[in-house]
Amino acid sequence: GESVGLHLPTLSVQEGDNSIINCAYSNSASDYFIWYKQESGKGPQFIIDIRSNMDKRQGQRVTVLLNKTVKHLSLQIAATQPGDSAVYFCAETLPNSGGSNYKLTFGKGTLLTVNP
Amino acid sequence: NAGVTQTPKFQVLKTGQSMTLQCAQDMNHEYMSWYRQDPGMGLRLIHYSVGAGITDQGEVPNGYNVSRSTTEDFPLRLLSAAPSQTSVYFCASSHARDAGELFFGEGSRLTVL
Repeated sequence: GESVGLHLPTLSVQEGDNSIINCAYSNSASDYFIWYKQESGKGPQFIIDIRSNMDKRQGQRVTVLLNKTVKHLSLQIAATQPGDSAVYFCAETLPNSGGSNYKLTFGKGTLLTVNP
Repeated sequence: NAGVTQTPKFQVLKTGQSMTLQCAQDMNHEYMSWYRQDPGMGLRLIHYSVGAGITDQGEVPNGYNVSRSTTEDFPLRLLSAAPSQTSVYFCASSHARDAGELFFGEGSRLTVL
């Protein structure tokens, strides 16, 4: 899976399947995690976030899971559609301290390709 | 609702030239930031601001200057462009209470020859 600091370039799925994009984070003090989607030629777009006091959070067709024990984050996309094809980034930040909660650290991204 | 607007979208500079990337947001967001995106490197924070008159450095601030004279605008200045600054630059903003829910501009692609 993707790691903040390592490169996992692509994930290819069939339309209608579920997609799972993984992210490993390094700082055990991080308490807020966010997933972004970036379509070709556009800026990243917020998808969903989760705080460290939660294990799971659901949105529309997306679920984020957080495993603090192994410092692992995943984004699950249900019934993947061609419009979901994009690069997905995870990001983390430290607890609110002197503005440090504004310093997001992004992973390198995973390219999701949805085949019709 | 325009959101976050960046100009220019494309720019080619020669080494040593200076320029300013403009960023404006119309959402009354307190927080604004600049990121650069390079292949295989993800997004890296250059500078950020938590309000008018307040700026701070991010992960890769060298070679860049910022100011925040108004809530709406957050320009990024390259004082003496270098080839290493060839990148795609993104401006982002958010409400301070939702610092992770960034709204990004469409990006500015800069090439330094």
